Amino acid sequence: DSGVTQTPKHLITATGQRVTLRCSPRSGDLSVYWYQQSLDQGLQFLIQYYNGEERAKGNILERFSAQQFPDLHSELNLSSLELGDSALYFCASSVGTTEETQYFGPGTRLLVL
Amino acid sequence: GQQLNQSPQSMFIQEGEDVSMNCTSSSIFNTWLWYKQDPGEGPVLLIALYKAGELTSNGRLTAQFGITRKDSFLNISASIPSDVGIYFCAVAPLSGAQKLVFGQGTRLTINP
Repeated sequence: DSGVTQTPKHLITATGQRVTLRCSPRSGDLSVYWYQQSLDQGLQFLIQYYNGEERAKGNILERFSAQQFPDLHSELNLSSLELGDSALYFCASSVGTTEETQYFGPGTRLLVL
Repeated sequence: GQQLNQSPQSMFIQEGEDVSMNCTSSSIFNTWLWYKQDPGEGPVLLIALYKAGELTSNGRLTAQFGITRKDSFLNISASIPSDVGIYFCAVAPLSGAQKLVFGQGTRLTINP
């Protein structure tokens, strides 16, 4: 158990819908990272937050957004969902903003029908 | 963008055999990481390498950070059934941005 929690574990929805994925980092970690893992793309970095502020952005679509709250949990919002958004979404956390050792949560499996 | 070439893509071995996989890049990196992912789970950090030439062990696992800073390998000795899974190499780019760039993974299957 990495100490990072994610909910829900599974999510099935329809195209055009909007979903919210939730992540709670390890106790004491200030950075939260979101990654998408699909069959043909591997693990792709989406976005990083540190202590409530956005710190780095990867290949995140404009339909996707994230935020980190004062209690340091983070939410990833996916809207206008398309079939191709079906993937595993992982959250990871680390102590600071320069700490490369990231600990991953169990992931949320999203299926868009 | 930055790409890692991880090989082999898959391995089928007998229990007890040693395993070797590697990761290469055309770019230099300061940090190489090796993760293992079990089905339905998130990646778990196995070994982190921070210095060129560094050789680090974690039980039956040994990983090395290439002297050119463009490659790394992971060895598993005397494989056991619980070693089954997907192994990913990952790097932290020099730019300071903390995103990790992952290889495509090596899927390890063990025949008992």
